[in-house]
Amino acid sequence: DIVMTQSPLSLPVSPGEPASISCRSSQSLLHANRYKYLAWYLQKPGKSPQLLIYLGSNRASGVPDRFSGSGSGTDFTLQISRVEAEDVGVYYCMQGLQPPFTFGQGTRLEIK
Amino acid sequence: QVQLVQSGAEMRKPGASVQVSCKVSGDTFTGHALHWVRQTPGQRPEWMGWINTGNGKTRYAQKFQDRLTFIRDTSASTVYMKLSGLRSEDTTIYYCAIWTAEWEAFGDWGRGTLVTVTS
Repeated sequence: DIVMTQSPLSLPVSPGEPASISCRSSQSLLHANRYKYLAWYLQKPGKSPQLLIYLGSNRASGVPDRFSGSGSGTDFTLQISRVEAEDVGVYYCMQGLQPPFTFGQGTRLEIK
Repeated sequence: QVQLVQSGAEMRKPGASVQVSCKVSGDTFTGHALHWVRQTPGQRPEWMGWINTGNGKTRYAQKFQDRLTFIRDTSASTVYMKLSGLRSEDTTIYYCAIWTAEWEAFGDWGRGTLVTVTS
């Protein structure tokens, strides 16, 4: 199974400040079609996960442009340019390259 | 956008079975890869498997291979997840989610169903 490892696990951020979350996979998520099968989700308190970023760097519909994703085959980053109060929750990376699809441990973002 | 409506919370004794439903609306029922993911609060989500709503083909995570079954009812636009041989560690929230092929990710999620296993 592909192991996904996130850091940090807790991220206190002041409003308006940037934030960055790292995700590392135990093997490359680069598909033969040259897409990186890495997605980012945000799970707000008491809610289902919601898709933020797909294929490594593409924002899902309705996601503010302050969210961006980047990365290579095994190292990925989610960046928030200016954190807002509504961004609070747990962020997960997930590999969609091969079953079993696996998630990182989650990064809890809180507002200072 | 696809809407996924799940059945309500369930409580079972150890060793029993539970069935959770996921009704698909807002799009044709067939032609989706409908997955099940479970998550204990405070822990990472855990993928369980998926069913092709068109042909009924299934794939289960090895961990659940011998006690997990997905069934589709095309007339009701509903997928059922049945987990048998319940144990305390199966106490968690179960989500259904649609895999969006163009994104290679879960594009839509149900709200989750809490299953509690207790004697």
